[in-house]
Amino acid sequence: ELKVEQNPLFLSMQEGKNYTIYCNYSTTSDRLYWYRQDPGKSLESLFVLLSNGAVKQEGRLMASLDTKARLSTLHITTAVHDLSATYFCAVDMSGTGNQFYFGTGTSLTVIP
Amino acid sequence: EPEVTQTPSHQVTQMGQEVILRCVPISNHLYFYWYRQILGQKVEFLVSFYNNEISEKSEIFDDQFSVERPDGSNFTLKIRSTKLEDSAMYFCASRLSPSSGKLFFGSGTQLSVL
Repeated sequence: ELKVEQNPLFLSMQEGKNYTIYCNYSTTSDRLYWYRQDPGKSLESLFVLLSNGAVKQEGRLMASLDTKARLSTLHITTAVHDLSATYFCAVDMSGTGNQFYFGTGTSLTVIP
Repeated sequence: EPEVTQTPSHQVTQMGQEVILRCVPISNHLYFYWYRQILGQKVEFLVSFYNNEISEKSEIFDDQFSVERPDGSNFTLKIRSTKLEDSAMYFCASRLSPSSGKLFFGSGTQLSVL
């Protein structure tokens, strides 16, 4: 059974600080996605990582993928309150593309 | 930007009743999905649909669930006899192809079974 685990599950950080969220998955895949979810809202796509070594940056967020280690990271730089949300990683299963497996989610709270 | 639309946004039903959740995927997309999220938990895959048939389904998607694409634009999820544990947010998603990358998600239907 495919497992996608995120660490930490809950993160409280002060504005201006940096932190990294980790996403580990248990099967071979070279496609990984990061989504953001605000309370009661839908899932907003943040990053699409489609190959080993891929790095994408948007504003204060940067995502990377290491397919050999089966690890993706979401790095937060100089956090601001607007980044408070739940962040999910998701893995395409076995290259078939028929479904995503979502991680457990990381609930981020940025304290002013 | 094109978007996936879902109706209704909220649905309240009695246990044992049938519900139909509706979705209009992005018009040129070919792959369609249903996911659900129980409050505070992770997003769980239910079913994927391509070329007018189910491609893959999870253990959650038992005989009480069915999907249909009744016309060229709608994609529906039916729960035949709802249970309390079906209460969740249901998300529809679509994409052009598996190689095209991300899933586009709708805004969800919050289903409450009483």
